Amino acid sequence: DGGITQSPKYLFRKEGQNVTLSCEQNLNHDAMYWYRQDPGQGLRLIYYSQIVNDFQKGDIAEGYSVSREKKESFPLTVTSAQKNPTAFYLCASSIEGAGTLQYFGPGTRLTVL
Amino acid sequence: AQSVTQLDSHVSVSEGTPVLLRCNYSSSYSPSLFWYVQHPNKGLQLLLKYTSAATLVKGINGFEAEFKKSETSFHLTKPSAHMSDAAEYFCVVSVPSGGYNKLIFGAGTRLAVHP
Repeated sequence: DGGITQSPKYLFRKEGQNVTLSCEQNLNHDAMYWYRQDPGQGLRLIYYSQIVNDFQKGDIAEGYSVSREKKESFPLTVTSAQKNPTAFYLCASSIEGAGTLQYFGPGTRLTVL
Repeated sequence: AQSVTQLDSHVSVSEGTPVLLRCNYSSSYSPSLFWYVQHPNKGLQLLLKYTSAATLVKGINGFEAEFKKSETSFHLTKPSAHMSDAAEYFCVVSVPSGGYNKLIFGAGTRLAVHP
């Protein structure tokens, strides 16, 4: 059963703590993405990775970090430097070069207490 | 600059009546356009996509959209709304950016369907 999984579904964090969100895909896609969604807004790109061991900042990368050590995994760390981390985080993947269609995971809702 | 404007933040219809969700885009390129749907606390699901083939695009669940270059519009329609259509809908344009294809999202339209 192919797809994108994100864990956990809900995550609570105290202020000042770093937290890592998981994203795994078994679609054999080269490219992966992290988006942030806030109420009443569209998705905003945090980071993206086109191939293993390479990633690029998106529009709102400050306070976030990523790694891409394996093709199927693209974890996102929300650091204590992120001023307003409470949001819904969505991971996506795509076959670059075969169109621009991105497939999305179910999301992780992060709440900072 | 590339952008997407969804003209209505909220749309409310009665079950069985037509749905119209409006989207205008701005792009310097020949765009690829998408509509995604998001149910509460879920990821995004692709409804349909336009990639310079037929201007009338049919998607899943009875939705369709028409690409009108002269009006820079890509409105989403459905002849008869169902209760299960209640969700948030995003119009998205894809543009080349720094060696990859970047998605630019509209702010979303929340569709409510009443019995």
